[in-house]
Amino acid sequence: QITLKESGPALVKPTQTLTLTCTFSGFSLSTGGVGVGWIRQPPGKALELISLIYWNDDKRYIPSLKSRLTITKDTSKNQVVLTMTNMDPADTATYFCVHKWDYNDYVGDWGQGTLVTVSS
Amino acid sequence: SYVLTQPPSVSVAPGQTARITCGGDNIGSETVHWYQQKPGQAPVLVLYDDSDRPSGIPERFSGSKPGNTATLTISRVEAGDEADYFCQVWDSSSDHMLFGGGTKLTVL
Repeated sequence: QITLKESGPALVKPTQTLTLTCTFSGFSLSTGGVGVGWIRQPPGKALELISLIYWNDDKRYIPSLKSRLTITKDTSKNQVVLTMTNMDPADTATYFCVHKWDYNDYVGDWGQGTLVTVSS
Repeated sequence: SYVLTQPPSVSVAPGQTARITCGGDNIGSETVHWYQQKPGQAPVLVLYDDSDRPSGIPERFSGSKPGNTATLTISRVEAGDEADYFCQVWDSSSDHMLFGGGTKLTVL
């Protein structure tokens, strides 16, 4: 059974850096084809994939946020970490950690999500 | 950039059929996936590859893609189907995942 759980601050101030950690079980990021990503959803709005990292350290970022995002993996800890710099109130959203296979175009497994509010 | 268009809301009485559309330029050549999201919960994949159901999804959920519109059809709608539904494609031009704006299904 695949599980993913997000952790990180619930509140950050504008201009600060957000660090989110996804801790997962039921699969390994050292297995060929495996990917872990982050999808965010502002309150009442649509979903947006912002970053992905694959088993081979291939990293993807949404172009509009690429300069502010860094995604890394720690295979030994079964964790993926996302950092987002220069946070803005517009970044207020629920951030979901997801599991994806590189040969599929969809997401099969989601974490419960963590709400991050950007406010002074 | 590629845009997926969904109606903001669809309403249907229990037992009737709900149809939720997803439009996009040349969507007929894309593979479409659908997610259900209930309030306060993470999305759940209900259809993948246009019309395939993951394990545990009722047969009442089906998908089609006639012309330039993908459609999620929910037959014999139940109160528990009330949720937001999102379509999704992998946009080959940007090599990135794209979601529609979502449709709120209300069961009257």
